[in-house]
Amino acid sequence: EVQVLESGGGLVQPGRSLRLSCVASGFSFSNFAMAWVRQAPGKGLEWVSGISGSGGSIYYTDSVKGRFTTSRDNSKNTLYLQMNSLRVEDTAVYYCAKGPGYLLISFYMDVWGKGTTVIVSS
Amino acid sequence: EIVLTQSPGTLSLSPGERATLSCRASQSITSSHLAWYQQKPGQPPRLLIFGASRRATGIPDRFSGSGSGTDFTLTVSRLEPEDFAVYYCLQYHNSPPWTFGQGTKVEI
Repeated sequence: EVQVLESGGGLVQPGRSLRLSCVASGFSFSNFAMAWVRQAPGKGLEWVSGISGSGGSIYYTDSVKGRFTTSRDNSKNTLYLQMNSLRVEDTAVYYCAKGPGYLLISFYMDVWGKGTTVIVSS
Repeated sequence: EIVLTQSPGTLSLSPGERATLSCRASQSITSSHLAWYQQKPGQPPRLLIFGASRRATGIPDRFSGSGSGTDFTLTVSRLEPEDFAVYYCLQYHNSPPWTFGQGTKVEI
């Protein structure tokens, strides 16, 4: 079964850092682009970042550029989101999602994890 | 950035009725790079439709997508009790940023 499972969420103070992980199983991880999508409490979905299968192409939404870093370790079937300088408005459930192919072209999210909750509060 | 506007915000219907959800883009989405997702409370989104009209694996044929350019529609032909949820459209035209609509809640 194709699955992705996020971890690493928690309560963190504004300005601090947190690293999320997403472990993939049931598919050849290195052959697929991946994404992070978040959902603030009671709000809609917001795409955060995308990374190609090799990790050579990475994109971010404007609000996290310079603060968040997406990476992947294909030998460990794991996707990461390093979040620095966290803000209250980063509070959300963060989902890891798989794309349909290797590139960040024609990319939609076809398999989603259950999400991990990040709360930024003093 | 392409802005997606979904309407209506809330759709109040009964089981067995037909649901028609709209997603309008601020600029043309070529190659029909439009997807639809269903989300129930406490659950992650589930892919229903990609490429504007292609059903994802395992999705019942009562769900159908149509449209092109700037206007897209998700239709649920006969609502089942499990279909009451929030529905989002996503555009993945060209390179990022990819954007979601604000969602349509289908309620009883």
